Amino acid sequence: SQTIHQWPATLVQPVGSPLSLECTVEGTSNPNLYWYRQAAGRGLQLLFYSVGIGQISSEVPQNLSASRPQDRQFILSSKKLLLSDSGFYLCACPARDRPYEQYFGPGTRLTVT
Amino acid sequence: QQQVKQSPQSLIVQKGGIPIINCAYENTAFDYFPWYQQFPGKGPALLIAIRPDVSEKKEGRFTISFNKSAKQFSLHIMDSQPGDSATYFCAASFQGAQKLVFGQGTRLTINP
Repeated sequence: SQTIHQWPATLVQPVGSPLSLECTVEGTSNPNLYWYRQAAGRGLQLLFYSVGIGQISSEVPQNLSASRPQDRQFILSSKKLLLSDSGFYLCACPARDRPYEQYFGPGTRLTVT
Repeated sequence: QQQVKQSPQSLIVQKGGIPIINCAYENTAFDYFPWYQQFPGKGPALLIAIRPDVSEKKEGRFTISFNKSAKQFSLHIMDSQPGDSATYFCAASFQGAQKLVFGQGTRLTINP
C-alpha cells in the first residue's frame, strides 16, 4: 500500500511571508494527487488536484498555487500568506489498485500570524 | 447537483447508543459512497464504503444503509464507545471522476 508524507507537520508564518508545503507519495506511480484545506472545525475544501507531472487543476481561486515537479511529489505554495490561509492542509491520493479509495496524509497545520 | 448534504452538524450520544449520520445527494451518476473518520489533528481515514448495488454494508460496529430511490445513505455505529468520538465525513464519486465530493462533516461525541 502507498504511504503519504507531508512536510512540515506544523508551521507558523507571518502574514506576507511565502509558503511551501510538500507532499510525497511512496508505493505507487503516477497517482492522482490532491490538496485539501480544512479550516478549524470545518469541512474539507479541495484546493488543487493533479493527474500527472505538470498537470494542475485549481478548484477555487485563491492566494495559493500548486506544482507537481515529479511523479510522486506535490507542492503547495504561496508568495504572500494571508491570515485566511491558516488551516490544516491535507494531501491525498487514491489506493494503487483501488482508484476509488482516497487516502489522506497526516496533514500540515499552518498558522498565519 | 454535485453536492452531498450531510446532517446533523454535531451529535452527542451516550455510550452504547447508536448514532446515525445521514447524507443526501442529487447526482444519480454517483456510484461510490465512502465514509471517513477523522480524529483531531489527524488526516481523515477511510472507514467503510458502499456501492449502490447493495442496500447495506457492515464492517464491525459500522453499518452503511443505502436508499437508492431516495438518494440517501447513512452511517450507523452500533454499541458506540467514547473512542468513536471523531468527525465523520460522507462522500460520493463516480467512475471516471477525478475527485470525491465530501459532505460538510459531523462532529460526534460519545459520552461515557
